[in-house]
Amino acid sequence: GDSVTQMEGPVTLSEEAFLTINCTYTATGYPSLFWYVQYPGEGLQLLLKATKADDKGSNKGFEATYRKETTSFHLEKGSVQVSDSAVYFCALSEVNDMRFGAGTRLTVKP
Amino acid sequence: DAGVTQSPTHLIKTRGQQVTLRCSPKSGHDTVSWYQQALGQGPQFIFQYYEEEERQRGNFPDRFSGHQFPNYSSELNVNALLLGDSALYLCASRGLAGGPGETQYFGPGTRLLVL
Repeated sequence: GDSVTQMEGPVTLSEEAFLTINCTYTATGYPSLFWYVQYPGEGLQLLLKATKADDKGSNKGFEATYRKETTSFHLEKGSVQVSDSAVYFCALSEVNDMRFGAGTRLTVKP
Repeated sequence: DAGVTQSPTHLIKTRGQQVTLRCSPKSGHDTVSWYQQALGQGPQFIFQYYEEEERQRGNFPDRFSGHQFPNYSSELNVNALLLGDSALYLCASRGLAGGPGETQYFGPGTRLLVL
């Protein structure tokens, strides 16, 4: 069945460092891909999404490109801030349900 | 515009008891999904409701059941609680028109602790 594998954490970076969180997926068809972020004690917030191959999703300086040839949707940000500290989830949706990766905890230190 | 709301925020139950969690979808949304998020893991799909019927179900036992009301709000019921049911239960809503690519909006969750 459909699944998502994302880079294990935790990831610790200094402020203004470059961020990459890897995400690969397995799907039978052509899923939509998402990155969600979860701050402590809260639910999930959509960070960005892409619905077809070669689409680039972007928001708040974060970017991810839907790569069908490598079945990947890696999350990147050029310069992280302390406020970016959170857990990041890669997810896919092909029919009605959404499949999530295990999450990657990011800590950004001043 | 109110987002997805869930109640209660926290709940403590003992093994064998039953629990009901509630969700109101974002305004204009007619499809509600429920997810279970165990500590340190990603959310797992429980089921989705549309037009007051269960449209798709994940790999969860029959102890997990749900309902959707005419105003699109939804309940998740769990019977015969087990210690392993302790988790954050998330409700998500979306409009039907966009299909799988439509963004799901998540509520803050109900944290259930089973003792």
